Order: sequence, then structure tokens, then C-alpha cells
Amino acid sequence: QSALTQPPSASGSPGQSVTISCTGTSSDVGGDNYVSWYQQHPGKAPKVMIYEVSKRPSGVPDRFSGSKSGNTASLTVSGLQAEDEADYYCSSYAGGSNVVFGGGTKLTVL
Amino acid sequence: QVQLVQSGSELKKPGASVKISCKASEYTFRNYAINWVRQAPGQGLEWMGWINTHTGDATYAQGFTGRFVFSVDTSVSTAYLQINSLKAEDTAVYYCAREKGAYWFDPWGQGSLVTVSS
Repeated sequence: QSALTQPPSASGSPGQSVTISCTGTSSDVGGDNYVSWYQQHPGKAPKVMIYEVSKRPSGVPDRFSGSKSGNTASLTVSGLQAEDEADYYCSSYAGGSNVVFGGGTKLTVL
Repeated sequence: QVQLVQSGSELKKPGASVKISCKASEYTFRNYAINWVRQAPGQGLEWMGWINTHTGDATYAQGFTGRFVFSVDTSVSTAYLQINSLKAEDTAVYYCAREKGAYWFDPWGQGSLVTVSS
């Protein structure tokens, strides 16, 4: 299966909102509600921010939200903070017990 | 707290094998699958597959069949990734991750860097 499509970069000023998209197909993103988002700071392991499209694990700020429309999922970070600067990856169930990741988006806080 | 601790960095020659460990703590190991994810230098995350820690059955993603082997030892709550016939392009950080819920991963191990060079 092919990687999900994410924009390579996104940016915003502190306090602003930014949305990162993740486009797949009806066989992955559009097929079920098993989309998750991960934050990765340089040299660190990824950390889950959103699962099942829009659910937030305990401890993740409510500034992070997720949604989906058709074959495209989105992660919105509201009230941007300096510590939000990181790489963000989406992932989706892709059928047959398989998972596929997006190519990643580098979020810069200006 | 729930955590996965991986083995350290490895430097291997082409053609050799490497076995990475991923030790779980503070939860019942057999209740959650372990997934493996590769990240080549400067690249994104690539899902390698997963292992059922209860049965030992493994599923491999396309591109990770043949040379890659997942295993578990439930007596020590540890999952393993073995890579045989190493190639330069296997140079990457390898992460293990617990499948907390359907197709999402938490926590992740800290990563194990494998460098393949002659």
C-alpha cells in the first residue's frame, strides 16, 4: 500500500491555528475510523496525539483535534505554542491487518 | 508507568544479522500486540508489521517479508526484531510500539539505531 499524502511543511505563529491534512483512499482513510496522529520531536520517539479520527488520549492538550471527511483526515492545532514545533505523522488502518503512515509534516512555529 | 525499553545501537557489516529487543513493563504483556516501525535517516515512519504477543503469530508489511523476523518471549515480557542478511539500506532507527487500541500505538520504545556499514 502507498503512503498517505501529507504536506511536507506547515507553519503558524504562536496563538494561531494550523491544520495538517492527510489524504488516502477509500481502502484506508476513507474506509474506517482508524486514523491516528503522532507527534515526533527531533531525536525522540513518536507520541500519539489523536486516535480513531478525533479521540484524544489522556494528557494530550485539547488544543489538538482531529477530523475526517471522505478520504482526507485532518489534524488541527489551535493556540500554537513553541513546543508544538515537531514532525507530525498520520496513520490509518489499510485493510488486512495492515497499517500505513503518511509521509510526515514538519510544523514550524514562527 | 507503562513503558517499552529497547536495546542499544548496533553497528553491523553487510550480510550480518541483528536482533533488537523491546522489553515491556507495568502492564500485562500478552494483552497487547507489539508493532514495529522503521525510520530511515531523515525519513518518515514506515510500518513493518506486528506480532500477537499471546500466540506469537506475526504479520509482515510488504517489503518486510523474508529477512525480518518478529518474536516474543512472554516469560520476560520482551519482543524481538531480527534482521538477517543486513544491507546498507537497513540503516535506520527501529521502534517497537504497543497497540493500545485498534491500529494506534502507545507507548513507543525509545528506538534502536542499526547502522549497516562495511
